[in-house]
Amino acid sequence: RKEVEQDPGPFNVPEGATVAFNCTYSNSASQSFFWYRQDCRKEPKLLMSVYSSGNEDGRFTAQLNRASQYISLLIRDSKLSDSATYLCVVRGGKLIFGQGTELSVKP
Amino acid sequence: EPEVTQTPSHQVTQMGQEVILRCVPISNHLYFYWYRQILGQKVEFLVSFYNNEISEKSEIFDDQFSVERPDGSNFTLKIRSTKLEDSAMYFCASILDRDNEQFFGPGTRLTVL
Repeated sequence: RKEVEQDPGPFNVPEGATVAFNCTYSNSASQSFFWYRQDCRKEPKLLMSVYSSGNEDGRFTAQLNRASQYISLLIRDSKLSDSATYLCVVRGGKLIFGQGTELSVKP
Repeated sequence: EPEVTQTPSHQVTQMGQEVILRCVPISNHLYFYWYRQILGQKVEFLVSFYNNEISEKSEIFDDQFSVERPDGSNFTLKIRSTKLEDSAMYFCASILDRDNEQFFGPGTRLTVL
């Protein structure tokens, strides 16, 4: 089983759509969880941390279920500028990245 | 806003040559990392460095790789004899302490011919 596994994508959605990304991780001892965003050939940038209680930042909502080792990201009212690859990341010291899910938001 | 910088942005080299990739982490950060991303693949951890020594390394980080913090500001990754499969984006990251956000540099694209 892969350490961090994401929906393969790509997701092609119209502007204004709601889109959900799913991720599972294999190491139950993992300490911290994140969603990063990566634009083409650029460095990963932190989008948000993910907490067990769930957390929201504007149009973005992240959820963590430690029992099922599952992480999600919901983007509401998607914008053209949300087009990117979304990376599920788990930390136990070093960062362990999923392979990413590409999102393309169309007008 | 402080940022991690990397040089060069693109390095082209011949197979078997040595390359040194350079990073300047954020000045008060204590932990330093190298990651790589082969085109179309996921970001992979290579090595972490703290208190002037390697704290963890992956299977990828074999004897051909080494890291150094030669002075108070630079953090370098050396590949002794490059292979075609070393072609990738190499990202440096730094962090103030282990529980904080890792800040990534813009990356060096290494092309081995």
